[in-house]
Parts: sequence; C-alpha cells; structure tokens
Amino acid sequence: GQSLEQPSEVTAVEGAIVQINCTYQTSGFYGLSWYQQHDGGAPTFLSYNALDGLEETGRFSSFLSRSDSYGYLLLQELQMKDSASYFCADYNAGNMLTFGGGTRLMVKP
Amino acid sequence: DARVTQTPRHKVTEMGQEVTMRCQPILGHNTVFWYRQTMMQGLELLAYFRNRAPLDDSGMPKDRFSAEMPDATLATLKIQPSEPRDSAVYFCASGWGRAEAFFGQGTRLTVV
Repeated sequence: GQSLEQPSEVTAVEGAIVQINCTYQTSGFYGLSWYQQHDGGAPTFLSYNALDGLEETGRFSSFLSRSDSYGYLLLQELQMKDSASYFCADYNAGNMLTFGGGTRLMVKP
Repeated sequence: DARVTQTPRHKVTEMGQEVTMRCQPILGHNTVFWYRQTMMQGLELLAYFRNRAPLDDSGMPKDRFSAEMPDATLATLKIQPSEPRDSAVYFCASGWGRAEAFFGQGTRLTVV
C-alpha cells in the first residue's frame, strides 16, 4: 500500500525559512506533489517533483530524493498568509494521488 | 474560470438516511477523485475514475458507499444508510491524469 509520513505540526516566525519533510513508501511511484490547504478551504496544488533535485516556484521550493524515498517543501520569507496545512502526495503508476496526513504550519509574528 | 463544483456545500442528515453528493468536474478533465477528510484520518482516497471508468475504490466502505459517473459532467457519491462516523468533509477533484488535481470546495456532511 501507499504510506506517506510528515510531521503533524510546525511553527515558525514571519520572515523565516521552514522545511516540511515527507517520507514515503509506495509502489509504482512516479513523483511527489505538494498541496496547500487553508482552514475551511480546499487543497490547492503547489508543486510536483518527478526527478531528483530541487524545483523552485517563487518563495516555495520542493525537493525529491528517490533513492531515499524522501522529499521536502521549503518555504522562504514566511508570511502570515502561509499559515495553512501542507500535504505531500504520491503520484503513482495508476495515476492516483494518495496524500500524507498533512503538516499544520503556524506562522507567528 | 473553470472550477470543480460540488453540491451541496453543507448537509445535515439523520442516521440511516441516504446522502447523495454531486460533483461537476472541470470540462475536459479525464480523471475524477473522491476524498474524505477528517481531523483524525487526513485526506483519504475513496474512489478514482478515469474516462468515467472506476479504477480504484478500495478505500471506500462497500457496504454503504457507492460512487458513479453517469456522464462526463457528473460524478456522484452516495451513502446509504448514513452513520454518525460518516461525518466529514467530502472533496471531489478532477485532473488530466497528472500530478495536479483541482479540488472542489467540498461537501461538509454531518450525520446526527
């Protein structure tokens, strides 16, 4: 089966950098996606890594190491609006998306 | 502005009643997912369709849940009979069979 592990909660201050880790055990793994969800809202797509290395999109970057079954989301120059839950999700050979338990990020002033 | 539309947004029902949730995927998308979100279980995949064919529903309690796509513009998730433990937010998402899925706003179900 598919299994993704991420920390349940992370706290950081405005302007700082935070890294949210994700380890996975999946079959037919294609790549790792990241989604953001604000309270009361729907998950929205942030990034996708199919290959090893770092993908950068503005203040957000995502990294994947297939050999280590590990990835992370890096958020720089944190803003209060970044307070949300962040989910890693594996995209597999069946074109399915299976989500981890989510990491609640709290940004403090 | 293309978006996934889910109805109803909120539903309160009594235990034992049938519940039907509807989803209109984005036009042209060929994959549709149903997820259930609770505080304890995160985002659970319930069912997955590609080109309207059900490909995976292993996460769905078969005795009471059913998911269908009667046509390309409508996906439904039914619970019969509903139970209090079914209380959750149910999300529909659609995509092109890639890693990016577009989520609807969800149906918040409360079974009393």
